[in-house]
Amino acid sequence: KQEVTQIPAALSVPEGENLVLNCSFTDSAIYNLQWFRQDPGKGLTSLLLIQSSQREQTSGRLNASLDKSSGRSTLYIAASQPGDSATYLCAVPYSGAGSYQLTFGKGTKLSVIP
Amino acid sequence: EAQVTQNPRYLITVTGKKLTVTCSQNMNHEYMSWYRQDPGLGLRQIYYSMNVEVTDKGDVPEGYKVSRKEKRNFPLILESPSPNQTSLYFCASSPAGGGTYEQYFGPGTRLTVT
Repeated sequence: KQEVTQIPAALSVPEGENLVLNCSFTDSAIYNLQWFRQDPGKGLTSLLLIQSSQREQTSGRLNASLDKSSGRSTLYIAASQPGDSATYLCAVPYSGAGSYQLTFGKGTKLSVIP
Repeated sequence: EAQVTQNPRYLITVTGKKLTVTCSQNMNHEYMSWYRQDPGLGLRQIYYSMNVEVTDKGDVPEGYKVSRKEKRNFPLILESPSPNQTSLYFCASSPAGGGTYEQYFGPGTRLTVT
C-alpha cells in the first residue's frame, strides 16, 4: 500500500527566505502528485498538480518537482511571506485492491515570521 | 463558480442521533469521495463513488453510509453517531477516477458528537 511521508512536520522561517518542503512516497507507479494548502480549520486548496510525465510545475512563487524513480517531490516557495503560513500537504492517487483514493502525507506546518 | 459545497459547515450532535452531511458539486464530475481528518492521523478516505452506478468503501467506512442517486450529490449518512466520529469531514470530486485528474475539495464540515 502507498505511504506518503512529509518531512519536516513543522518549519519556521523568517519572511523573505526561500524554502523547500519535501514529500516522499513508497510506490513510484503514480499517475500524478498534488500539493495542497490548508489553513487552520479550513478546507484544502489545490496548489499544483504534477503529472507523472512532468518533472516540474510552476505557479507564481511556487515550484513543484517530481522524481518518480526516487519517490520524491519537493515544493519550493520563493521569497516567503507571512501569508504563506499554513499546512502544506502532498497527495498521490492510490489504486489497488478495488479501491481508488488519494493517499495524503501528514503535512508540513509552515510559519513565516515577519 | 466551479465548486464543491458541503452543509452544514459545523454540527454538534448527541450520540445516536442520525445525521446527514450533504455534498454537491457543479462541475459535472463523475468521481466523488469523502474523507475525514484527525490530528496525528491525517486524511483518510471513508467512501468513494466512481459514478452513479458504483460506490465503494475506503479505508475507514465503519459507521458511515453514502448514497449517489444523482451525479452532483453525494451525501454522507451517520445512522448512529458516536463520539469517535468527531472529526473534520471533507468531500471531494474529480472528473473521473483512476488517478489521472486533479481533485477538488469542499470547505469541510466540523462534526462534534457528544
